Amino acid sequence: DQQVKQNSPSLSVQEGRISILNCDYTNSMFDYFLWYKKYPAEGPTFLISISSIKDKNEDGRFTVFLNKSAKHLSLHIVPSQPGDSAVYFCAAKVPNTPLVFGKGTRLSVIA
Amino acid sequence: GAGVSQSPSNKVTEKGKDVELRCDPISGHTALYWYRQSLGQGLEFLIYFQGNSAPDKSGLPSDRFSAERTGGSVSTLTIQRTQQEDSAVYLCASSSRTGGNQPQHFGDGTRLSIL
Repeated sequence: DQQVKQNSPSLSVQEGRISILNCDYTNSMFDYFLWYKKYPAEGPTFLISISSIKDKNEDGRFTVFLNKSAKHLSLHIVPSQPGDSAVYFCAAKVPNTPLVFGKGTRLSVIA
Repeated sequence: GAGVSQSPSNKVTEKGKDVELRCDPISGHTALYWYRQSLGQGLEFLIYFQGNSAPDKSGLPSDRFSAERTGGSVSTLTIQRTQQEDSAVYLCASSSRTGGNQPQHFGDGTRLSIL
């Protein structure tokens, strides 16, 4: 049973436009959510996180939105750049437990 | 370096052999995690260590898998009698603690191929 779902395996966006990556979860006990970015042959790199007590967190071009009632979070990248092309993983955790990851969405930013 | 270090970066071995994968966490990080990523899949939790507490082994797929963490720092993941389905990228991560909102920082992984 997948607790964290990324239903879009891939996404293509033009350079300069907004990229929106989505993630749904089933466990209402999750209290911390993260996005990681992964380039080929490298480990995932932490991008941005949000606590369940917030509904938005912004860091430069990256904003994460959390909708607890819908059990949905999204990552917005604006403006998108070719260097943003990577696989993006959504992750979530219950206190004092390891992260639970989605299967990832491959983002391609087209110049 | 300052990041999580894993070795070897690639390992090819024959079915039935034992393998050892090594992880050097970020200095001072008390929590250490092992995950694996099979082709087309997300990251699957295997085991984690927090300080001197007993490790959480709930993600280990079989008793062929084991891990140690010596001196609260370096960790070794051992897979005995490897099978072809063990082929995956094995990722190690560390964080300053398990509780609270601390992101995990990953190494570049070991790509394991079982022939």
